[in-house]
Amino acid sequence: QGQLVQSGGEVKKPGAAVKVSCKTSNYTFTDYGISWVRQAPGQGLEWMGWISPYNGNTNYAQKVQGRITMTTDTSTSTAYMELRSLTSDDTAVYYCARDWGATNGMDVWGQGTTITVSS
Amino acid sequence: DIQMTQSPSTLSASVGDRVTITCRASQSVSNWLAWYQQKPGKAPNLLIYKASILESGVPPRFSGSGSGTEFTLTISSLQPDDFAAYYCQQYNSYPWTFGQGTKVEIK
Repeated sequence: QGQLVQSGGEVKKPGAAVKVSCKTSNYTFTDYGISWVRQAPGQGLEWMGWISPYNGNTNYAQKVQGRITMTTDTSTSTAYMELRSLTSDDTAVYYCARDWGATNGMDVWGQGTTITVSS
Repeated sequence: DIQMTQSPSTLSASVGDRVTITCRASQSVSNWLAWYQQKPGKAPNLLIYKASILESGVPPRFSGSGSGTEFTLTISSLQPDDFAAYYCQQYNSYPWTFGQGTKVEIK
């Protein structure tokens, strides 16, 4: 079974950028996509986007389009999510998840990374 | 975007109860529907995918049904470990979208 381990929580000032990492193990990194999902305090789940480690193709949610960049490093089996121009609305727990694409849903999740945006 | 609407938002039930959560899509998602369980402070956990297929390791008291625009998650006999939030998610077309969640509370 795969494993995803995320980087630690961060506090950022409004207008700054944050980059969260998601290191994968115990499966072939390029065989599955990676989705990023966030959850604001006390709120539900919000899908932010998807990346294929196989070819680098991405698909971003309209809400964060233009502020988000997802990348992967196949040499270390690690996915990254960078979010720029942060506001307090971006305060949330950010999760990466192994995504089978249009077949089996998101079956393995990282532990979550808390990003707090505060002046 | 496809909107997913769950009902109820909160459900109070007792151990041993049969529980049903409904998820409706604003347009057909065929059977590309997943259900997740989330406990406080933890990542979501996949329960069911393709509307009715139980993820490996998930107890058989969980079941899913439906297709098109209407889906249900049923817990046949609620156990203490099942008190949590549940989310449906469509993956028929981007952007993937989640329902707002259903919190199952102890009655």
